[in-house]
Amino acid sequence: DQQVKQNSPSLSVQEGRISILNCDYTNSMFDYFLWYKKYPAEGPTFLISISSIKDKNEDGRFTVFLNKSAKHLSLHIVPSQPGDSAVYFCAASALEGAGKSTFGDGTTLTVKP
Amino acid sequence: NAGVMQNPRHLVRRRGQEARLRCSPMKGHSHVYWYRQLPEEGLKFMVYLQKENIIDESGMPKERFSAEFPKEGPSILRIQQVVRGDSAAYFCASSSTQGNEQYFGPGTRLTVT
Repeated sequence: DQQVKQNSPSLSVQEGRISILNCDYTNSMFDYFLWYKKYPAEGPTFLISISSIKDKNEDGRFTVFLNKSAKHLSLHIVPSQPGDSAVYFCAASALEGAGKSTFGDGTTLTVKP
Repeated sequence: NAGVMQNPRHLVRRRGQEARLRCSPMKGHSHVYWYRQLPEEGLKFMVYLQKENIIDESGMPKERFSAEFPKEGPSILRIQQVVRGDSAAYFCASSSTQGNEQYFGPGTRLTVT
């Protein structure tokens, strides 16, 4: 039972356009959501997060949207840059729980110059 | 560099040998998490530790795997009698507070021959 799903294994966009990465979750106990970015041969790096009390959080070119009723979140990157090409992981945690995060399988984003 | 340190970066073991993976969390962080990433998959939670305590080991295989985070020194993930299926990238992460974003190390790539 995969509690966090990223249904698109890959996404390709043109430089300067918007990248939209999607994530769905099933566990209603999740109340904190994070996006991580991962380059090959490196560990994931934290990108942006959102608490369940919000529906949007913005940080520069990155915006995360949360739709609790649909159990869906998305990461928007605009404008996309070639350096954004990486694997993006969605993760969810329950603050009342043990602090572990449950990760999706990732979406590989390729931004073409 | 005060980031999360993992060593070794690469580890090759023959079937039946023991593997020891080390993780030093970021300075000031007392929460440590271990994740495993199999090829073409996302990160799977293994265990969450605080100093001298295992908080959640729900993702740990029941046999051959153990983890510790002693009062002094790094966290250790130990795999006894390794098998080929243990070949994966093992990532350690740390956080300052339960539920907050986690900071990942570069990973240890274990290859079992």
